[in-house]
Amino acid sequence: DQQVKQNSPSLSVQEGRISILNCDYTNSMFDYFLWYKKYPAEGPTFLISISSIKDKNEDGRFTVFLNKSAKHLSLHIVPSQPGDSAVYFCAASGLSGTYKYIFGTGTRLKVLA
Amino acid sequence: EADIYQTPRYLVIGTGKKITLECSQTMGHDKMYWYQQDPGMELHLIHYSYGVNSTEKGDLSSESTVSRIRTEHFPLTLESARPSHTSQYLCASMSPSGGELFFGEGSRLTVL
Repeated sequence: DQQVKQNSPSLSVQEGRISILNCDYTNSMFDYFLWYKKYPAEGPTFLISISSIKDKNEDGRFTVFLNKSAKHLSLHIVPSQPGDSAVYFCAASGLSGTYKYIFGTGTRLKVLA
Repeated sequence: EADIYQTPRYLVIGTGKKITLECSQTMGHDKMYWYQQDPGMELHLIHYSYGVNSTEKGDLSSESTVSRIRTEHFPLTLESARPSHTSQYLCASMSPSGGELFFGEGSRLTVL
């Protein structure tokens, strides 16, 4: 059973518009979340994180929102740029006692020029 | 900026061969990880280590083995490669604060 789900395998957005990538999780013990960006044949690159004590974290064009009651997080990219085209993974961890991350299946974002 | 290196980046070998995927990091991180990823799938944790002489199997069963003799080095070995081992293998380390994972560029293995 997948504990971290990214139900949209792909997303296309026009350049300059907002990209919203979603992630759902099932384990209420998760208390730290990461978003990664991955290009083909490369390793994932860290984008942004959020702790369960927050509901929002912002870094430049990237904002992550966490809704603990819904066990849902989302990554907003504004404005979207063609260079943002990649696969985006969310990952979750319960840091108290474990240092292992569970990853979702990823969403392929395509930003159209 | 993270300094974690994987070699080889690409490897094509025949069935039955022994292979070792190398992973090194220069950050002095104690926690290191191996993930396996097939196209369109999530990253699956196959091995992890919290320090020298400490290794554990991950959530996904794997026929590979790992060792951690030095902090900076976490190699993965397949004694007898099979086509089912064809995948991308990603090595990562975790910062001491326990947050971010730093990934290497990956090793793409193809077993014929």
